[in-house]
Amino acid sequence: EVQVVQSGAEVKNPGESLRISCQTSGYTFSSYWIGWVRQMPGKGLEWMVIFYPYNFETFYSPSFEGQVTISADRSISTAYLQWSSLKASDTAMYYCTTTRDGNFRWDYWGQGTLVTVSP
Amino acid sequence: QSALTQPASVSGSPGQSITISCTGTSSDVGRYNYVSWYQQHPGKAPKVIIYDVNNRPSGVSDRFSGSKSGNTASLTISGLQAEDEADYYCNSLRGRPYVFGTGTKVTVL
Repeated sequence: EVQVVQSGAEVKNPGESLRISCQTSGYTFSSYWIGWVRQMPGKGLEWMVIFYPYNFETFYSPSFEGQVTISADRSISTAYLQWSSLKASDTAMYYCTTTRDGNFRWDYWGQGTLVTVSP
Repeated sequence: QSALTQPASVSGSPGQSITISCTGTSSDVGRYNYVSWYQQHPGKAPKVIIYDVNNRPSGVSDRFSGSKSGNTASLTISGLQAEDEADYYCNSLRGRPYVFGTGTKVTVL
């Protein structure tokens, strides 16, 4: 059974750095794409980035290029999303999702990580 | 990068059918047969209900169906039930990564 478990809620000050995690299990980590999706309070879903752990192929949405960094540790089947300097506008729920390479639907979703950036 | 266009809200009575449109361009919806639809209940993660335009994942009710014509995809919910009240998002390949629709709130009257 595929499982996607994200790290817990975070409260940060503007300017601070942050890394949230997405731990997967039940499949071969390198064979599935990982995606991160943002949902600001009361708003819709937005693609941030997708990443293929097999060869580290990465595609950022233009709005998020340079704003966040995706990484992964294949040895523990975990992906990360990182900010170097948070802004209040980064306050949102962040979802991790995964799909088998060759599929174009996102089957498995984490529970979400709520990030609150407030002075 | 502009989102695909969906109506903000759609409503219907129990048992009725409703259709949600998703309008894109020749670079996304019109180009690829990789349109998927996601249902999101309040406080929950999205769940895929339609993929590759008109396919249902195992376990998804056959009351949900999808179609596409030109640059517009559609999701139809037939036999509307109270549990269908949720937000719905279309999603399409647009090069990489992907693009979501603006989202539609479905209300069961």
